[in-house]
Formats: sequence, C-alpha cells, structure tokens
Amino acid sequence: GESVGLHLPTLSVQEGDNSIINCAYSNSASDYFIWYKQESGKGPQFIIDIRSNMDKRQGQRVTVLLNKTVKHLSLQIAATQPGDSAVYFCAENPFSGAGSYQLTFGKGTKLSVIP
Amino acid sequence: GAVVSQHPSWVICKSGTSVKIECRSLDFQATTMFWYRQFPKQSLMLMATSNEGSKATYEQGVEKDKFLINHASLTLSTLTVTSAHPEDSSFYICSAREYQTSSFSDEQFFGPGTRLTVL
Repeated sequence: GESVGLHLPTLSVQEGDNSIINCAYSNSASDYFIWYKQESGKGPQFIIDIRSNMDKRQGQRVTVLLNKTVKHLSLQIAATQPGDSAVYFCAENPFSGAGSYQLTFGKGTKLSVIP
Repeated sequence: GAVVSQHPSWVICKSGTSVKIECRSLDFQATTMFWYRQFPKQSLMLMATSNEGSKATYEQGVEKDKFLINHASLTLSTLTVTSAHPEDSSFYICSAREYQTSSFSDEQFFGPGTRLTVL
C-alpha cells in the first residue's frame, strides 16, 4: 500500500544550528500532515500540523513546509537545542471530516544534537 | 493539551498468559481510539481502530482473536494480548482522537506507551 517515508534516517546537528528533517509521502489523497517527536521510551508528542491547502505553517521554533507537487514535507527546527534530540516522525491522514482518521507514520529520523 | 494515560507503563509476563493494557483520555471524550505497536528502532504500526460502543477495526495481519480491544466508554479503551508469546514483546501505544468541527487540528493524542516483555 501507499506509505510515508523519510529521506534521512539519522541527522546530527550542532547546538544552535537549524535542523531540517524531510519526509516524502506517496498518497496524493492525503490532506492532513503531522510531525511528532518521540523521546526514548515515550509516546509520540505532537509538534505541528498542516493541511494541504497550506504550504507553510509556523510554530514556536518550528516550521513545517508542504510541497504537494512533489509530495514532500519538511520540518525545520530553529536554533536546535539538546532537548530537541529525539526521533521525529511525519504522519499523514488521507481523509478529513467524517470517515477514516487513521494516521500512517513514516520511518522516523533520529536527531542528535551535539553540544 | 489533551492528556492520554496508559496503564501499566511496563509489564513482564510468562508465555501463555494474557495481559490487559488500559488507555484513558483524562480530560476529553475520545470519539475514536487507536492502538499501535512499535518494535525497537522502528515506526509505529497501526493495529486497530476502535470507536466507543462498536467493534474494533483491525489492520490487515493483526489477529483480532489475539489482540482483544474493548472500547466501553468515551474515555477508556483496553487492549488484551491473549496467550502472549515472546514475539508479542513490543511497545504498545494508544492514541485518542477528539474531533472538533471548529478546530484546525484533527490530531491524535498519544499515551506514554506500555512496554510488554513476554518471557
């Protein structure tokens, strides 16, 4: 079936630098995307989401970019901190409103911040 | 944000026994709850979707007789791993969804996970 994948399985960045984590999705019907952060031994934590009628959304130190033309999603973290070290997953929901609300998760990218 | 709890956080059991994991939405009513399984260094794999008061919908390859799901109320769903075997050892995570018609987000709120080890 269709799936969400990631380009980079691991990413090491220097503290204070910006991080960019990429995700490719294959389901063109997907119209809602979420980035999650998962620390070791814990459940995923919501970071930011975006709908397909947008190409950019900003949060606190994080920005999500969506390029529907090439089915690409990215998460940008500004001024990366040691506390940002975790595995980051993108997830897609191909349906909105009434119907299925299932999420398909990508493989994950491990972000390591070097002090 | 909304809080989802899981109990227990970890459990060790003998092969052949059954284990029940609880998932609760603490400050909201969850129209839908989801159960995921995650093996080490892998992504989350959806096992089943449950709506309150109805039978769960299982993903392909997930045995419904082995992984019993009960969604008895809008704040509680349970996953029972029956006749557990070592290959069932995994990190089980639940999530809950509260749909708000006026909200941008349609996110799922995740529990902290339950580590199951079957000896």
